[in-house]
Amino acid sequence: EAEVAQSPRYKITEKSQAVAFWCDPISGHATLYWYRQILGQGPELLVQFQDESVVDDSQLPKDRFSAERLKGVDSTLKIQPAELGDSAMYLCASSPRQSKETQYFGPGTRLLVL
Amino acid sequence: SQQGEEDPQALSIQEGENATMNCSYKTSINNLQWYRQNSGRGLVHLILIRSNEREKHSGRLRVTLDTSKKSSSLLITASRAADTASYFCATDANDYKLSFGAGTTVTVRA
Repeated sequence: EAEVAQSPRYKITEKSQAVAFWCDPISGHATLYWYRQILGQGPELLVQFQDESVVDDSQLPKDRFSAERLKGVDSTLKIQPAELGDSAMYLCASSPRQSKETQYFGPGTRLLVL
Repeated sequence: SQQGEEDPQALSIQEGENATMNCSYKTSINNLQWYRQNSGRGLVHLILIRSNEREKHSGRLRVTLDTSKKSSSLLITASRAADTASYFCATDANDYKLSFGAGTTVTVRA
């Protein structure tokens, strides 16, 4: 069964450093989402892509976060510089063009900022 | 901001018992979905109920939706140890963006 791939699974970094996360959605899925999940809370949407275009990045802290999906397939989320409060799980999800309602999540990247 | 709120925050039951958790939300929705998350993992879609539906079943899962009260419930019957996880409700206001609650942590004791 096809799955959303994410790497790395775990990342430890020091504050003020740059970090990057990668996501490869299920093949053929046009919509891609990045979520941040703080421990003990539900996921919160950071950015939504439709193919290579950003649909919604209203909750993305643009002073330090950036996201791209250049060819409309895989995507990278970057944080520069990382802050202590960025420690969280970063989840990627995708949904197919013909059935956008259901999202399929990857295993996530757990980030710890020291 | 999180639209949904689950209740209770945590639930501990014996294997074989039923588990019920509730979700309340604030604004109009197109559909409401339930997801499961095992510790440290991604979310798995369980079931979707549309705003014009009142009840839906999938295996041992039963979901109800009351749009007049802006609430939903998830019932897991005959629970198993493998059902130990966090359960999240998520609302879709017709824009394919999900707004999640804080989740209910379910522990099934052997």
